This record gives sequence, structure tokens and C-alpha cells, in this order.
Amino acid sequence: AQSVTQLGSHVSVSEGALVLLRCNYSSSVPPYLFWYVQYPNQGLQLLLKYTSAATLVKGINGFEAEFKKSETSFHLTKPSAHMSDAAEYFCAVSGGSNYKLTFGKGTLLTVNP
Amino acid sequence: DAGITQSPRYKITETGRQVTLMCHQTWSHSYMFWYRQDLGHGLRLIYYSAAADITDKGEVPDGYVVSRSKTENFPLTLESATRSQTSVYFCASKDRGDFTDTQYFGPGTRLTVL
Repeated sequence: AQSVTQLGSHVSVSEGALVLLRCNYSSSVPPYLFWYVQYPNQGLQLLLKYTSAATLVKGINGFEAEFKKSETSFHLTKPSAHMSDAAEYFCAVSGGSNYKLTFGKGTLLTVNP
Repeated sequence: DAGITQSPRYKITETGRQVTLMCHQTWSHSYMFWYRQDLGHGLRLIYYSAAADITDKGEVPDGYVVSRSKTENFPLTLESATRSQTSVYFCASKDRGDFTDTQYFGPGTRLTVL
């Protein structure tokens, strides 16, 4: 069984500040991990994914995430927030053999000018 | 257009009516999924399909029916809509050969049941 916990349903940062969105997972098998972004009135767009090739994963729009097995975490970061980063972010986990994704409940990122 | 599309994008209906939400993908992906998105619940899987004529229940299937006669289409039907089915519905697809289970999402359908 797999599960995902996103700490903080709402995160607010100032433009130019560090963005840190937290994700912890539980998985009985080596996981594949994902971050998706959802802009207002749009579908989910893949931001980045961890597939065991490298623990630090770089995605689109300057985001990156680090897989830490010992902490069962996959936190998403961006050094400098931009107004256009305002969106909802979802962390998801897959076991790779059952074709389903388990999603966290999402974190709404607000960027203040 | 290439990709995954959903129609309609917005729908208002009344309690007890039948509603069908359409999903179409042009990638020939084997797997397709239906999710609903509600505040406080994130995304919850309703039904999924591994191939044409193969479907299975997800986390919240009650009140929904799916079919998949063609690989590219995966319609979701609410046979008798209820207010609790007011939600945003997303369709997604996955390539059978993708061992990471990456899913690609449509733009969503916002359904309101009055």
C-alpha cells in the first residue's frame, strides 16, 4: 500500500523567496515519485519525476526535488519564487507495477508581490 | 489536436439526470483513468481501464459507469446525478510501456448538479 502526505495545504511566499513544498510518502516497494502542478482552471501538468536514476531531480520552471529514502521525503524547491508559480501542487507516488498513482491532497502556493 | 481532451469543459445538470463526460486521447495509450477533485480530498480515482473492454473500479466508483469500446475513448456516465457528484472531473492516460506509471491529464470538466 502507498500513501502520500503533503505538509501544509497552503503555503504563502514573497516573490523572490525560496519555495519549499513538503511531501512524505509511504511505499512497500521502491517508489516512483512525482510532482504535478495545476494552474487555475487547468489540468495537472507533470513538473518532475523521480525514477531512481538520480536523487536530485530537476523539472520545468526552475523547480527541483530531492529524493531522501531515509526520510521518505520528496520535497519540492525553487530558489526564487515568481508570481507565475502561484498554483496548486500535488505530490504522487507509484509502485511501478500497479499503474496507479496515489496523490497527496495538494498544496496551494500563493506568491505575494 | 494531439493529446488528451475532455468534453464538455463545463456542465450544469439537475439531480436525477443522466450525464456523460467524454475523454479522448490521441497517443494510443493503453491505460486511462477518471478522477474527481474535491476540496480537502485531492484527487480520487473513480475508474480505470487497462485496455479496450477492460475496466475496473477505483476508490470512489459508486454512482458512476464507464465503458471503453475504443482505445482512444473513455466516457464516464453518471446514471442519476446527485448533488454530491458536483466536482471537477479529470481524465488521464498512461502508456503501457512506461514503467514509471507517469500519467498525463486532460483539462478537466467542471460539473455542477443542482
